[in-house]
Amino acid sequence: DAGITQSPRHKVTETGTPVTLRCHQTENHRYMYWYRQDPGHGLRLIHYSYGVKDTDKGEVSDGYSVSRSKTEDFLLTLESATSSQTSVYFCAIRDRDPEQYFGPGTRLTVT
Amino acid sequence: TQLLEQSPQFLSIQEGENLTVYCNSSSVFSSLQWYRQEPGEGPVLLVTVVTGGEVKKLKRLTFQFGDARKDSSLHITAAQPGDTGLYLCAGELGNFNKFYFGSGTKLNVKP
Repeated sequence: DAGITQSPRHKVTETGTPVTLRCHQTENHRYMYWYRQDPGHGLRLIHYSYGVKDTDKGEVSDGYSVSRSKTEDFLLTLESATSSQTSVYFCAIRDRDPEQYFGPGTRLTVT
Repeated sequence: TQLLEQSPQFLSIQEGENLTVYCNSSSVFSSLQWYRQEPGEGPVLLVTVVTGGEVKKLKRLTFQFGDARKDSSLHITAAQPGDTGLYLCAGELGNFNKFYFGSGTKLNVKP
Protein backbone atom coordinates (compact mmCIF):
# COMPACT_ATOMS: atom_id res chain seq x y z
CA ASP A 1 0.00 0.00 0.00
CA ALA A 2 1.15 3.55 -0.80
CA GLY A 3 2.30 5.42 2.29
CA ILE A 4 -0.32 8.11 2.45
CA THR A 5 -2.12 9.39 5.52
CA GLN A 6 -4.70 12.07 6.13
CA SER A 7 -5.43 14.01 9.30
CA PRO A 8 -7.77 14.47 10.93
CA ARG A 9 -9.95 11.54 9.86
CA HIS A 10 -13.09 13.20 11.19
CA LYS A 11 -13.87 16.79 12.00
CA VAL A 12 -16.95 18.75 12.98
CA THR A 13 -16.68 22.51 12.76
CA GLU A 14 -18.92 25.54 12.76
CA THR A 15 -19.77 27.76 9.81
CA GLY A 16 -17.26 30.58 9.41
CA THR A 17 -14.32 28.87 11.12
CA PRO A 18 -11.06 28.07 9.31
CA VAL A 19 -10.17 24.43 8.77
CA THR A 20 -6.95 22.80 7.57
CA LEU A 21 -6.69 19.23 6.38
CA ARG A 22 -3.33 17.55 6.03
CA CYS A 23 -2.11 14.93 3.57
CA HIS A 24 1.23 13.25 4.23
CA GLN A 25 3.09 10.83 1.96
CA THR A 26 6.22 8.75 2.42
CA GLU A 27 6.56 7.77 -1.27
CA ASN A 28 8.33 10.90 -2.54
CA HIS A 29 5.77 11.15 -5.36
CA ARG A 30 5.73 14.36 -7.37
CA TYR A 31 1.98 14.90 -7.72
CA MET A 32 -0.54 15.33 -4.93
CA TYR A 33 -4.28 15.91 -5.27
CA TRP A 34 -7.22 16.96 -3.14
CA TYR A 35 -10.70 15.71 -4.07
CA ARG A 36 -14.09 15.93 -2.46
CA GLN A 37 -16.66 13.16 -2.74
CA ASP A 38 -20.37 13.84 -2.53
CA PRO A 39 -23.29 11.54 -3.34
CA GLY A 40 -24.06 11.50 -7.06
CA HIS A 41 -20.87 13.35 -8.01
CA GLY A 42 -18.09 10.82 -7.75
CA LEU A 43 -14.84 12.60 -6.89
CA ARG A 44 -14.23 16.18 -7.94
CA LEU A 45 -10.80 17.76 -8.07
CA ILE A 46 -10.28 20.75 -5.78
CA HIS A 47 -6.57 21.53 -6.24
CA TYR A 48 -3.46 19.64 -7.12
CA SER A 49 0.29 20.08 -6.81
CA TYR A 50 2.99 19.16 -9.32
CA GLY A 51 5.92 20.02 -7.06
CA VAL A 52 6.96 21.96 -4.00
CA LYS A 53 5.23 25.35 -4.11
CA ASP A 54 3.64 24.44 -7.49
CA THR A 55 -0.14 24.14 -7.41
CA ASP A 56 -3.08 24.52 -9.76
CA LYS A 57 -6.86 24.73 -9.50
CA GLY A 58 -9.30 21.95 -10.18
CA GLU A 59 -13.03 21.85 -10.96
CA VAL A 60 -14.28 23.04 -7.58
CA SER A 61 -11.55 25.27 -6.14
CA ASP A 62 -13.69 28.20 -4.92
CA GLY A 63 -13.47 28.55 -1.13
CA TYR A 64 -10.36 26.39 -0.87
CA SER A 65 -6.64 27.11 -0.82
CA VAL A 66 -3.65 24.77 -0.72
CA SER A 67 0.00 24.83 0.16
CA ARG A 68 2.91 22.50 -0.37
CA SER A 69 6.12 23.57 1.33
CA LYS A 70 7.61 20.05 1.45
CA THR A 71 7.39 17.13 -0.95
CA GLU A 72 5.64 14.98 1.64
CA ASP A 73 2.93 17.37 2.82
CA PHE A 74 -0.04 18.91 1.01
CA LEU A 75 -2.40 21.07 3.04
CA LEU A 76 -5.98 21.98 2.15
CA THR A 77 -7.46 25.04 3.87
CA LEU A 78 -11.03 26.19 4.07
CA GLU A 79 -10.62 29.83 5.05
CA SER A 80 -14.21 30.19 6.27
CA ALA A 81 -16.09 26.91 6.24
CA THR A 82 -19.64 26.77 4.87
CA SER A 83 -22.26 24.03 5.08
CA SER A 84 -21.80 23.31 1.36
CA GLN A 85 -18.26 22.17 2.18
CA THR A 86 -19.55 19.29 4.26
CA SER A 87 -18.08 16.34 2.41
CA VAL A 88 -15.55 13.55 2.45
CA TYR A 89 -12.14 14.77 1.36
CA PHE A 90 -9.58 12.48 -0.25
CA CYS A 91 -5.94 13.07 -0.93
CA ALA A 92 -4.19 11.19 -3.72
CA ILE A 93 -0.60 10.86 -4.87
CA ARG A 94 0.97 9.81 -8.14
CA ASP A 95 4.36 9.64 -9.75
CA ARG A 96 4.98 9.79 -13.51
CA ASP A 97 2.31 7.20 -14.40
CA PRO A 98 -1.40 8.15 -14.42
CA GLU A 99 -2.27 5.83 -11.52
CA GLN A 100 -3.34 7.59 -8.35
CA TYR A 101 -3.13 6.19 -4.83
CA PHE A 102 -5.66 7.48 -2.37
CA GLY A 103 -5.57 8.16 1.32
CA PRO A 104 -8.27 6.95 3.73
CA GLY A 105 -10.26 10.21 3.59
CA THR A 106 -11.38 12.91 6.01
CA ARG A 107 -15.04 13.28 6.84
CA LEU A 108 -15.77 16.97 7.43
CA THR A 109 -19.07 18.24 8.80
CA VAL A 110 -19.77 21.97 8.88
CA THR A 111 -22.68 22.86 11.17
CA THR B 1 -22.58 18.26 -16.09
CA GLN B 2 -20.06 15.48 -15.57
CA LEU B 3 -17.34 15.11 -18.15
CA LEU B 4 -17.58 11.34 -17.73
CA GLU B 5 -21.06 9.80 -17.64
CA GLN B 6 -21.15 6.50 -15.85
CA SER B 7 -24.01 4.00 -16.05
CA PRO B 8 -25.83 2.43 -14.47
CA GLN B 9 -25.76 4.31 -11.17
CA PHE B 10 -26.98 1.30 -9.20
CA LEU B 11 -26.86 -2.39 -9.95
CA SER B 12 -28.20 -5.18 -7.77
CA ILE B 13 -27.67 -8.69 -9.08
CA GLN B 14 -27.48 -12.28 -7.94
CA GLU B 15 -24.23 -14.13 -7.46
CA GLY B 16 -23.13 -15.75 -10.71
CA GLU B 17 -24.64 -13.17 -13.05
CA ASN B 18 -22.64 -11.09 -15.51
CA LEU B 19 -22.70 -7.31 -15.67
CA THR B 20 -21.26 -4.39 -17.59
CA VAL B 21 -20.58 -0.85 -16.39
CA TYR B 22 -20.14 1.94 -18.92
CA CYS B 23 -18.16 5.16 -18.84
CA ASN B 24 -18.84 7.59 -21.69
CA SER B 25 -17.69 11.04 -22.73
CA SER B 26 -17.54 13.34 -25.73
CA SER B 27 -13.94 14.16 -24.81
CA VAL B 28 -10.81 12.25 -25.72
CA PHE B 29 -8.71 10.98 -22.82
CA SER B 30 -5.01 10.20 -22.79
CA SER B 31 -5.64 7.50 -20.19
CA LEU B 32 -8.51 6.07 -18.25
CA GLN B 33 -8.51 4.33 -14.89
CA TRP B 34 -11.02 2.15 -13.07
CA TYR B 35 -11.18 2.17 -9.28
CA ARG B 36 -13.15 0.24 -6.69
CA GLN B 37 -14.13 1.81 -3.40
CA GLU B 38 -15.38 0.20 -0.21
CA PRO B 39 -17.47 2.17 2.32
CA GLY B 40 -15.30 4.35 4.55
CA GLU B 41 -12.16 3.86 2.45
CA GLY B 42 -10.37 5.56 -0.41
CA PRO B 43 -10.65 4.29 -4.00
CA VAL B 44 -8.27 1.51 -4.99
CA LEU B 45 -6.90 1.29 -8.51
CA LEU B 46 -8.00 -1.70 -10.59
CA VAL B 47 -6.55 -0.92 -14.01
CA THR B 48 -5.25 1.78 -16.36
CA VAL B 49 -5.89 1.75 -20.12
CA VAL B 50 -4.05 4.10 -22.45
CA THR B 51 -4.39 2.80 -26.02
CA GLY B 52 -7.57 3.04 -28.09
CA GLY B 53 -9.16 -0.42 -28.46
CA GLU B 54 -7.11 -1.81 -25.56
CA VAL B 55 -8.57 -4.71 -23.59
CA LYS B 56 -7.23 -5.73 -20.20
CA LYS B 57 -8.28 -8.64 -18.03
CA LEU B 58 -8.00 -8.97 -14.30
CA LYS B 59 -9.32 -12.39 -13.30
CA ARG B 60 -13.11 -12.13 -13.88
CA LEU B 61 -12.95 -8.41 -14.76
CA THR B 62 -12.49 -7.24 -18.35
CA PHE B 63 -11.77 -3.62 -19.15
CA GLN B 64 -12.05 -2.08 -22.59
CA PHE B 65 -11.00 1.34 -23.85
CA GLY B 66 -12.91 2.62 -26.88
CA ASP B 67 -11.14 3.00 -30.20
CA ALA B 68 -11.54 6.79 -30.06
CA ARG B 69 -10.49 6.89 -26.38
CA LYS B 70 -13.79 8.55 -25.39
CA ASP B 71 -15.38 5.64 -23.58
CA SER B 72 -14.65 2.54 -21.56
CA SER B 73 -16.44 -0.45 -20.12
CA LEU B 74 -15.95 -2.82 -17.24
CA HIS B 75 -17.41 -6.30 -17.57
CA ILE B 76 -17.60 -8.70 -14.64
CA THR B 77 -18.19 -12.37 -15.30
CA ALA B 78 -19.89 -14.56 -12.70
CA ALA B 79 -20.13 -11.82 -10.08
CA GLN B 80 -19.44 -12.72 -6.46
CA PRO B 81 -20.50 -11.00 -3.22
CA GLY B 82 -16.89 -9.86 -2.81
CA ASP B 83 -17.32 -7.71 -5.94
CA THR B 84 -19.78 -5.51 -4.07
CA GLY B 85 -18.63 -1.90 -3.96
CA LEU B 86 -18.56 1.43 -5.75
CA TYR B 87 -16.86 1.36 -9.14
CA LEU B 88 -15.43 4.61 -10.46
CA CYS B 89 -13.91 5.51 -13.80
CA ALA B 90 -11.48 8.42 -14.14
CA GLY B 91 -9.93 9.99 -17.21
CA GLU B 92 -6.99 12.27 -17.80
CA LEU B 93 -7.43 14.96 -20.46
CA GLY B 94 -4.29 15.49 -22.50
CA ASN B 95 -1.22 15.66 -20.31
CA PHE B 96 -2.55 18.30 -17.96
CA ASN B 97 -2.31 16.12 -14.88
CA LYS B 98 -5.99 16.65 -14.07
CA PHE B 99 -8.34 13.73 -13.65
CA TYR B 100 -12.11 13.68 -14.05
CA PHE B 101 -14.21 11.04 -12.36
CA GLY B 102 -17.53 9.52 -13.28
CA SER B 103 -20.26 9.60 -10.64
CA GLY B 104 -19.80 5.92 -9.89
CA THR B 105 -21.72 2.66 -10.11
CA LYS B 106 -22.82 1.12 -6.85
CA LEU B 107 -22.80 -2.66 -7.27
CA ASN B 108 -24.48 -5.06 -4.87
CA VAL B 109 -24.03 -8.77 -5.48
CA LYS B 110 -26.44 -10.88 -3.47
CA PRO B 111 -25.50 -14.40 -2.38
